[in-house]
Parts: sequence; structure tokens; C-alpha cells
Amino acid sequence: DAKTTQPNSMESNEEEPVHLPCNHSTISGTDYIHWYRQLPSQGPEYVIHGLTSNVNNRMASLAIAEDRKSSTLILHRATLRDAAVYYCILFHNYGQNFVFGPGTRLSVLP
Amino acid sequence: GAGVSQSPRYKVTKRGQDVALRCDPISGHVSLYWYRQALGQGPEFLTYFNYEAQQDKSGLPNDRFSAERPEGSISTLTIQRTEQRDSAMYRCASSLETAGGPGTQYFGPGTRLTVL
Repeated sequence: DAKTTQPNSMESNEEEPVHLPCNHSTISGTDYIHWYRQLPSQGPEYVIHGLTSNVNNRMASLAIAEDRKSSTLILHRATLRDAAVYYCILFHNYGQNFVFGPGTRLSVLP
Repeated sequence: GAGVSQSPRYKVTKRGQDVALRCDPISGHVSLYWYRQALGQGPEFLTYFNYEAQQDKSGLPNDRFSAERPEGSISTLTIQRTEQRDSAMYRCASSLETAGGPGTQYFGPGTRLTVL
């Protein structure tokens, strides 16, 4: 399985942008890049996904490197409710096996 | 609309007993997944179904674990002869797409299993 690496933890100040990096150097051509987050005491929730092009939705933006070996989840204005563990996952197009790593624990300071 | 539901939310059992954990996916969702999550770690894939067919059970730790989804809707994860190391949060997720789709998953609240 292609794997991802993320920093264990990051800190941000409230109202500031946050850039959460993810490395996936062994990504294959059919792998989608997914981001999920898990708030304390809750199940994971979908944030965003992409294949090759950058993506935007109401929650975040996903910037994908041209060689697809890395990506960055961008929260444009962090709020206290964004404090969570963020998971970067490669989803295999022909199989539904999600492999969650340890993720990045984001702390948002008031 | 109703999300993914799981029952029971908490289960305490004695070592050696069998337990059955239930997952009720979002109506119309084709795919259903089971994960196990230890405290402080990310979810660990166990198995998944498309409709009633179990497509991948490579994540099931051993033959004490089994899952079924006989009518393509509700699923049951069964753990036989439970051991203390089985204690964890068991999470279910469902997805609208079948294999080949981008697979956005919606997670349930989980069942906290404690084996004494």
C-alpha cells in the first residue's frame, strides 16, 4: 500500500491560515488523495479529495504538487473548532481499502 | 437525514464471550466499511462490503473476527471468544459509490468495546 507521512503535530493561531503538509512519494497514477479529520470524541469526517488538480470546497483547499508526491491541506482561517487530527489518505481506485496513518494533530490557539 | 448509526454505543464483556456489533449505514449507500481504532491512533481497516458481498477482509486480525451484510444494508461485526486485546473503538462507515469511485466515507459514532 502506498503510504503517507505527515508531521505529528502543528499549532496555529485563530483566524490565521494553516498549511498541513503530506508526503506520498510512492503514489500511483490511480490513487486519489483524501483528507479526513477527527474531532475529539467523534468519528472521522471527510474534508476534501483530489486526483491531480487543486481543489476547493467550503471547508478547505487542497494543493497537489505537480509530480503528485506531496499535497497540502489549506484551512484559510483556522477556528477553535478546527482543532482535530487531520489524516491524509491515498485511496486506491480499484479497491476500497483506506489506510489511515497517525495523522497531524492540529492545535488552534485563541 | 439520518447518518450512520451503530449499536450498542458501549459494550463491556468478559473475556471469552462473543459480541455482535451492529452498523446501520446511510440509506442507499452501497459500500460499508468496518474499522478498529485504538486510543490515540488512526482507524485501522478491518473489512468492507459492496452491497451484500464482502470484497476485502484482509484487515480482520484473525478468524475470531467475522462480518456479514446479508441484505446489503445493516451489517454485523462479530468477535468470538473475546480477548482483552480486542478492546477498542469499532467504527463503521458507509459510502455511496462502489469500487472505482473516489469513496467519500461517512462514519458512525462507533462502539466502544471493553473486554474485562
